[in-house]
Amino acid sequence: GAVVSQHPSWVICKSGTSVKIECRSLDFQATTMFWYRQFPKQSLMLMATSNEGSKATYEQGVEKDKFLINHASLTLSTLTVTSAHPEDSSFYICSARGGGFDEQFFGPGTRLTVL
Amino acid sequence: QKEVEQNSGPLSVPEGAIASLNCTYSDRGSQSFFWYRQYSGKSPELIMFIYSNGDKEDGRFTAQLNKASQYVSLLIRDSQPSDSATYLCAVNIDGAGNMLTFGGGTRLMVKP
Repeated sequence: GAVVSQHPSWVICKSGTSVKIECRSLDFQATTMFWYRQFPKQSLMLMATSNEGSKATYEQGVEKDKFLINHASLTLSTLTVTSAHPEDSSFYICSARGGGFDEQFFGPGTRLTVL
Repeated sequence: QKEVEQNSGPLSVPEGAIASLNCTYSDRGSQSFFWYRQYSGKSPELIMFIYSNGDKEDGRFTAQLNKASQYVSLLIRDSQPSDSATYLCAVNIDGAGNMLTFGGGTRLMVKP
């Protein structure tokens, strides 16, 4: 299978700061990347879908000005949580699709804690 | 009605037994079906996918698809305590492009 990495694996920040999370496909070109959020004991919630070189498509209820997504290359997408607040504390997971694979491959996730 | 439904569980089975996990989906035009396993605090990992009606076997895992009944299942033979996790069913809803729609997951507990 293909490998997807995320950085950082965890981050703690103060309320009001911005946090950037990177998602990389290590051994294939990801034409599409997905960003999910998962709260404790809940299922994955898709936040947005991004295709390389184009604007992300956000799911209903996800603020695009708060969660900035950039998919500038076929191997890198970034999610920036702007002016983070405690309610943004969650497990953020990216996945990638491409390279001839039909399935999505998930990164290891980033646990964000906003104090 | 949710697009992809799973019983949240927990489903408890003794070690060595067969665990049967079920998933139903609402969109009859769905083409691709995936099973992911998620350990607590970790991200999902793909177990297997199935596209055609019938069974698909991979080691101890068998995926079963019945498009007429809009039903996909995952059987785990010789269940081990290490199989204890949440199992997520994901469906590529027809017309949704690359997007997967996930069920809520079934928590499996395999007791020694």
